[in-house]
Amino acid sequence: DAGITQSPRHKVTETGTPVTLRCHQTENHRYMYWYRQDPGHGLRLIHYSYGVKDTDKGEVSDGYSVSRSKTEDFLLTLESATSSQTSVYFCASTFGEYSPLHFGNGTRLTVT
Amino acid sequence: GNSVTQMEGPVTLSEEAFLTINCTYTATGYPSLFWYVQYPGEGLQLLLKATKADDKGSNKGFEATYRKETTSFHLEKGSVQVSDSAVYFCALSSGGSNYKLTFGKGTLLTVNP
Repeated sequence: DAGITQSPRHKVTETGTPVTLRCHQTENHRYMYWYRQDPGHGLRLIHYSYGVKDTDKGEVSDGYSVSRSKTEDFLLTLESATSSQTSVYFCASTFGEYSPLHFGNGTRLTVT
Repeated sequence: GNSVTQMEGPVTLSEEAFLTINCTYTATGYPSLFWYVQYPGEGLQLLLKATKADDKGSNKGFEATYRKETTSFHLEKGSVQVSDSAVYFCALSSGGSNYKLTFGKGTLLTVNP
């Protein structure tokens, strides 16, 4: 399996604080993604990257920003955390079209 | 835009029962179709895929056929096991330079011994 790790695995934070989640992959995949998983909504795309410094918004990008300064790292930042951002966040990566997405094990974020 | 609709769960079956999880999609162009599986506490793993119409993806006894005429990609397994208990996601890809997947909401399957 592709080496893709997320950190931290669990985080509790207070409303209004900034939070950064990290995704690291060792497969030299071009594409990286951040999804959130919520009951009744499945997986929804927050942001994705199609190369170093090349990122774009997904369907639920408000309140989130991303950065990709190296191929292997993709950071997700919640600029000012809100309770609605309590969720499980998954990072994924792939070489590209026709290749499967490889997922990390998720970060459970609780905003109190 | 692209969308995926899969049957609502949860689905509860006895061991050795037949499984069908329905999935239909709306997409422009010619997407690839996928089924992913998520075991408790883990990320999603690719179960099978099909990249063009009439292709059949298969893995671990699971099968799904890409039906363009009905825009469907239903997941089937002839005899489920307790170890198949998981959440199953149908997904489609939009290709080109901005490659990304759109997922359905997931179907929780529980198999009882």
